[in-house]
Amino acid sequence: ETGVTQTPRHLVMGMTNKKSLKCEQHLGHNAMYWYKQSAKKPLELMFVYSLEERVENNSVPSRFSPECPNSSHLFLHLHTLQPEDSALYLCASSQDVASNTGELFFGEGSRLTVL
Amino acid sequence: DAKTTQPPSMDCAEGRAANLPCNHSTISGNEYVYWYRQIHSQGPQYIIHGLKNNETNEMASLIITEDRKSSTLILPHATLRDTAVYYCIVRLNRDDKIIFGKGTRLHILP
Repeated sequence: ETGVTQTPRHLVMGMTNKKSLKCEQHLGHNAMYWYKQSAKKPLELMFVYSLEERVENNSVPSRFSPECPNSSHLFLHLHTLQPEDSALYLCASSQDVASNTGELFFGEGSRLTVL
Repeated sequence: DAKTTQPPSMDCAEGRAANLPCNHSTISGNEYVYWYRQIHSQGPQYIIHGLKNNETNEMASLIITEDRKSSTLILPHATLRDTAVYYCIVRLNRDDKIIFGKGTRLHILP
């Protein structure tokens, strides 16, 4: 149990569907992150939130829409995705964005398949 | 881009020390070296980090060369559960980005 919970663990969706990935952290952290891990590629940082405010958006297509309603919850809304968006989506949290320890706590990930 | 270079894969016998190298020749004076690992189908897990001095915790030891251009992560007594991809990351302290490279796939052999 890492303290970061992601749901669903697996998701299959068509290209015209709208779905959402959810992340919840029980660690009292102020920063949350979305990473994407495609097959045989390094983890890619997608979004960074600090105290519910987006501080980083790494040129992610608009079909991915993050939402951070409070410091414990982070969503990734998915709309009109492409098959190449199939990947493992990982959520992480840290004490603060500029944390001295640099320690990220990751969830187990949501495995997304786009048909 | 990741600022580190790691071998793509390594083998280690169970019970032996696993020594994972990392080159970071362009590291600047205020950048830290971090190590994470990712066991199959799980999220990455923080292992250890350091700046100049060698560090040790319950999971591993980190040896950083005097010129700081390379480092070695040591798992003192590797077990089958240590089979994972190990990532060496250089991060500017108080920077908001942790950039992962391809890492080293460590196979622990029974």
